[in-house]
Amino acid sequence: GAGVSQSPRYKVTKRGQDVALRCDPISGHVSLYWYRQALGQGPEFLTYFNYEAQQDKSGLPNDRFSAERPEGSISTLTIQRTEQRDSAMYRCASSSGQGGVYNEQFFGPGTRLTVL
Amino acid sequence: TQLLEQSPQFLSIQEGENLTVYCNSSSVFSSLQWYRQEPGEGPVLLVTVVTGGEVKKLKRLTFQFGDARKDSSLHITAAQPGDTGLYLCAGDKGGAQKLVFGQGTRLTINP
Repeated sequence: GAGVSQSPRYKVTKRGQDVALRCDPISGHVSLYWYRQALGQGPEFLTYFNYEAQQDKSGLPNDRFSAERPEGSISTLTIQRTEQRDSAMYRCASSSGQGGVYNEQFFGPGTRLTVL
Repeated sequence: TQLLEQSPQFLSIQEGENLTVYCNSSSVFSSLQWYRQEPGEGPVLLVTVVTGGEVKKLKRLTFQFGDARKDSSLHITAAQPGDTGLYLCAGDKGGAQKLVFGQGTRLTINP
């Protein structure tokens, strides 16, 4: 079976443009997470979903960042009016459970965003 | 402020040596995970520790969770070049499954 996939793998955009990053979780996985990872650092939590419900968005840096998972499968992270400081690797992860006992998170390859 | 502090941040040793990586916090976690990340890839889970004082072994890797569930260590015996990578600890505060990652330890094993 396929793992978590993300597209595009690389995105270069100009400051002020909007970008949409896509995540395809492992089929059947209930929970989906978005992280941002700086080079050589650990991932930083942004938001997560159980099914289509956004459970926690406390890690989103500001209101330019939003995420959705309308049908409980594919998710999109949208950054409006991008700024250079938004440049980073954006990673998606999915897990089979939805709370309580910890379930392993499987990470995707990431989308490298560069804002010029 | 980093919730989980890893040390050292960088470590370069010779093949065959032993090493220990530490992950410390002032917060209590319901579980703690260790991940390994290769260049260009996402983190891959190595182990999850749940019980205070728990010790888990994975071949040459030994993981320990502190009694108070605030810290953890990863010990590698007879390191090999294939152990090279970024090692991350991540804590789960329970319920929400929201993982908090440390800043990582970049490990290089020289042949």
